[in-house]
Amino acid sequence: EAQVTQNPRYLITVTGKKLTVTCSQNMNHEYMSWYRQDPGLGLRQIYYSMNVEVTDKGDVPEGYKVSRKEKRNFPLILESPSPNQTSLYFCASGFGSTGNTIYFGEGSWLTVV
Amino acid sequence: GQQVMQIPQYQHVQEGEDFTTYCNSSTTLSNIQWYKQRPGGHPVFLIQLVKSGEVKKQKRLTFQFGEAKKNSSLHITATQTTDVGTYFCAEANTGNQFYFGTGTSLTVIP
Repeated sequence: EAQVTQNPRYLITVTGKKLTVTCSQNMNHEYMSWYRQDPGLGLRQIYYSMNVEVTDKGDVPEGYKVSRKEKRNFPLILESPSPNQTSLYFCASGFGSTGNTIYFGEGSWLTVV
Repeated sequence: GQQVMQIPQYQHVQEGEDFTTYCNSSTTLSNIQWYKQRPGGHPVFLIQLVKSGEVKKQKRLTFQFGEAKKNSSLHITATQTTDVGTYFCAEANTGNQFYFGTGTSLTVIP
């Protein structure tokens, strides 16, 4: 089954404790991306990647890192989480951002206290 | 970043009534994509429009792209309870950045 898998789905952590949210897709997609969703702000792009070892900043990259060492994986790293990073995070993938369907993962609820 | 404005933010309709959400930009859009997110779910791609004046239909859903490619609309005819959710428009620019609208949350009253 074609899918985008994120882990963990729910996490409560403390300020400053490094965490990684993993994202994996089984559709051989070149394009992968991370978004955060906040009430009233819609979905905002954090980082995206067009292929292995190619990553670019989206609209709100501050406080986040990503890596793309393999085509199927695109982890989101919060080196020193802060409460303003409490949000719902989505990973997405597709063959390209234009002209192709983008598939979203189920989402990861992150709370930083 | 580029702004894509979406209105209304919320819409309550009686089942069977029509519903429309609008997406507007101050700049010309490369394309427009529409997504639906059910409560507690993740966004699901519905459609992409690329050409000026383009109109596409999916059963009771009609999608339009403005002639100037600065606005788009999604119209649902005779809403059903299964239409409940938040509808987002988004532009994917040529640099592969996505700009989402703030979404319209649709409630359908049985």
